[in-house]
This record gives sequence, structure tokens and C-alpha cells, in this order.
Amino acid sequence: DSGVTQTPKHLITATGQRVTLRCSPRSGDLSVYWYQQSLDQGLQFLIQYYNGEERAKGNILERFSAQQFPDLHSELNLSSLELGDSALYFCASSVTPTNEKLFFGSGTQLSVL
Amino acid sequence: GENVEQHPSTLSVQEGDSAVIKCTYSDSASNYFPWYKQELGKRPQLIIDIRSNVGEKKDQRIAVTLNKTAKHFSLHITETQPEDSAVYFCAASSGEHYGQNFVFGPGTRLSVLP
Repeated sequence: DSGVTQTPKHLITATGQRVTLRCSPRSGDLSVYWYQQSLDQGLQFLIQYYNGEERAKGNILERFSAQQFPDLHSELNLSSLELGDSALYFCASSVTPTNEKLFFGSGTQLSVL
Repeated sequence: GENVEQHPSTLSVQEGDSAVIKCTYSDSASNYFPWYKQELGKRPQLIIDIRSNVGEKKDQRIAVTLNKTAKHFSLHITETQPEDSAVYFCAASSGEHYGQNFVFGPGTRLSVLP
């Protein structure tokens, strides 16, 4: 167990809908990252937060948004969902925002039907 | 931005043999290079990492080498075992002050045949 908690584990929804994925980092970690992993694909970096502030942005669609709250948990919001958004979404955390080991959660499997 | 390439995409070895996975990166500012192992249906887990001020690092059967001039780094697994079968991802990070933007390679599916 990495100490990073993601909920829900599975999510099934329809095209056009909006969902929220939740992540609680390891105790003491201030930085949170979101990654998207499509079937048999690599890990696509979406966005990073550190202590509530956005620190780095990757290939995140405009339909997606995220935030980190004062208690350091983070939420990834996906709206106007398309079939291609079906993927495994991982959250990871680290102590500092730079050059630090990442600890991954178990992921949320999103299926858009 | 950073681009990380990884080869081979699939690798099959006999149990007991060695396995080598190679990655190249494009951003000369990258200075942190971790390797993650992802078993089927599981989360990626860090197995070894190396920083740019080090050329080689070893942890039991696993070693990583870094060539900054050529911008490539490699994972070496010796005496492979069936439980080494997994997808391995390399990554590069510049860790500049504005944040850490890990870029992962596409992964290598390693199969260790008994």
C-alpha cells in the first residue's frame, strides 16, 4: 500500500456526462500529480499541484480541470465526457514539488459508454 | 518540452538471463531519472532512480546507468525471475523551480519465461 488513496476505484458513465475523481496523498506529501493511462498505453502527465497551487501542466484537455484543497486532497473533474476519455486515471504524490519519488494510488478506472 | 523514448517495447528473456531496457530523453535540463514497474492491474511502483550527478546506481539485481552526454539511461536486471514480468516505465524530470513535470516513456513489457 503506497498510502495514496483514490476513489472511486471504478466509474461507469455516459458520453456528455461529468465526473469527479478524488485523491488523498500520503501523509506529509504536499504535491499531487494526475496521470492518464489508456489501454496498453503509457502514463500521460496531466497536472501537478503543490500545497494548493498549480505547479506544472501537461497534456490536460480544456474539458478537464483539477484542484488541490487546503487539506491537500485533490479532485480531477472531467466534463463533456467522450468515449476516448475511457482510461485509468492515477494520482501520485510526493513530499516536495521537484525531483522527488512519486507514490501512486491504485487508480480510478473510468469507462465512458 | 521533454520527450522520452524507450526500447524495446516488448522483451522476452529466459529465467536467469539478463534484461536491458534503454531510454533516451531530449531535454538537457532533465536531472532526475526514475524507473517504475507496473504489474498487470496494479499501480506503478518505483524500483530505482538516478540523479544526473551519478553515472550508475545498483540495488541488488537492478542497476541503472546514465549517460548525460548522449542523453540516455538504461535499466539492467540480472538473474531475471518470473516475478520480474511486468511493464517497466522510465521517466525524466527537470524539476525546475516551477514544478516537476515527469515525462514517462511508453513502457517495455518484459516477460520472463520459466
